[in-house]
Amino acid sequence: EDQVTQSPEALRLQEGESSSLNCSYTVSGLRGLFWYRQDPGKGPEFLFTLYSAGEEKEKERLKATLTKKESFLHITAPKPEDSATYLCAVHLHRSNSGNTPLVFGKGTRLSVIA
Amino acid sequence: DTEVTQTPKHLVMGMTNKKSLKCEQHMGHRAMYWYKQKAKKPPELMFVYSYEKLSINESVPSRFSPECPNSSLLNLHLHALQPEDSALYLCASSLAGAQDEKLFFGSGTQLSVL
Repeated sequence: EDQVTQSPEALRLQEGESSSLNCSYTVSGLRGLFWYRQDPGKGPEFLFTLYSAGEEKEKERLKATLTKKESFLHITAPKPEDSATYLCAVHLHRSNSGNTPLVFGKGTRLSVIA
Repeated sequence: DTEVTQTPKHLVMGMTNKKSLKCEQHMGHRAMYWYKQKAKKPPELMFVYSYEKLSINESVPSRFSPECPNSSLLNLHLHALQPEDSALYLCASSLAGAQDEKLFFGSGTQLSVL
């Protein structure tokens, strides 16, 4: 069964303490793995799309990587303003309908303490 | 203009009320989406419109009725809702609905059903 799983569920870091968030997936025929950031009461904000194993993308203190089974979001020297929920998402193939809706993992709630 | 605008931002309604949520984008996108998000949960897909035609309905109860009057507008009509329907309702759009496209989300409508 296609699915996407994120870990940890919550992460608390000191300012400047680097770490990584994980998104593991079991999807046949991956057509892109997406990372979004969501602040409380707001819609998700697009960060990255990764298409193939070995691909990496960076934006400020964030770096996303992709293997054949999982993706990591590395946060280097985080600041309090990086506190948010980080969501990964993939398209799941529905063989009975042919639809491939974008489905989100449960997210990692990141808190960065000054 | 890279915004998806949702109105209202907050809505309180009784179980016998009829109300509508509105979403607008002027990015020339031809795919539009409704997601529902409960607190501390990931967004869950409800409906997808592609080129103004309903392409995905994720078995949503009939008390939710989507409408896409034109390529820039998306409505969600609400009738006889239940308290468990209280959630953040998110609208999103993408270029054409292809699997490798990123979604642009609005800030959502926080709905409370009394």
